[in-house]
Amino acid sequence: SYDLTQPPSVSVSPGQPARITCSGDALPTKYVYWYQQRSGQAPILVIFEDSKRPSGTPERFSGSSSGTMATLTISGAQVEDEADYYCSTTGSTGDQYVFGTGTTLTVL
Amino acid sequence: EVQLVESEGGLVQPGGSLRLSCAASGFTFRDYWMHWVRQFPGKGLMWVSRTNGDVSSTSYADPVKGRFTISRDNAKNTLFLEMNRLRVDDTAVYYCVRGGIGVAPHPFDHWGQGVLVTVSS
Repeated sequence: SYDLTQPPSVSVSPGQPARITCSGDALPTKYVYWYQQRSGQAPILVIFEDSKRPSGTPERFSGSSSGTMATLTISGAQVEDEADYYCSTTGSTGDQYVFGTGTTLTVL
Repeated sequence: EVQLVESEGGLVQPGGSLRLSCAASGFTFRDYWMHWVRQFPGKGLMWVSRTNGDVSSTSYADPVKGRFTISRDNAKNTLFLEMNRLRVDDTAVYYCVRGGIGVAPHPFDHWGQGVLVTVSS
């Protein structure tokens, strides 16, 4: 197993871009997934395979990955985007999954 | 509409056992890999276990290996997690999660509402 490190918190004003990073030594060879968890709710998938959006994810959400760092970008953050965000990937054997430490996004 | 509905969790003493179940609907259950993911009181997420469609292949996180068993009843569209020798640090909200079809990895595209399991004396 290995660690995925995220900043504990990110704060932006409404309409400003928000960027949440996820770093891990194995990321160059792994897909990254991003999950949004609003307060009191279960997580939902917002980005898969580094940069793909499931149907239902707003277009302002995008993902990228380069080297040992992946980034979730919200092009113009909205108040409803306030949530915890977690990156995830597979473990060293490819048979287990690892979550990042989580980032609390504040939009105010 | 995909739905995953977990059974009630509960309070268990250290060393005790508990079986979680998850009723699935809205998709062809037997085709999908299914997972359990837990969330600790401090908010961190941890993947717990997964099974493929016919339980011919399962996998566990190291902290639960040998104590937890994942299974499924495809005739009843239900996923299970048998938890034995529970420890205080197993206290968490447990989520039933849908994976994908075929060779992994898959994103976790649908999550249940989660159930709280508290291990305490």
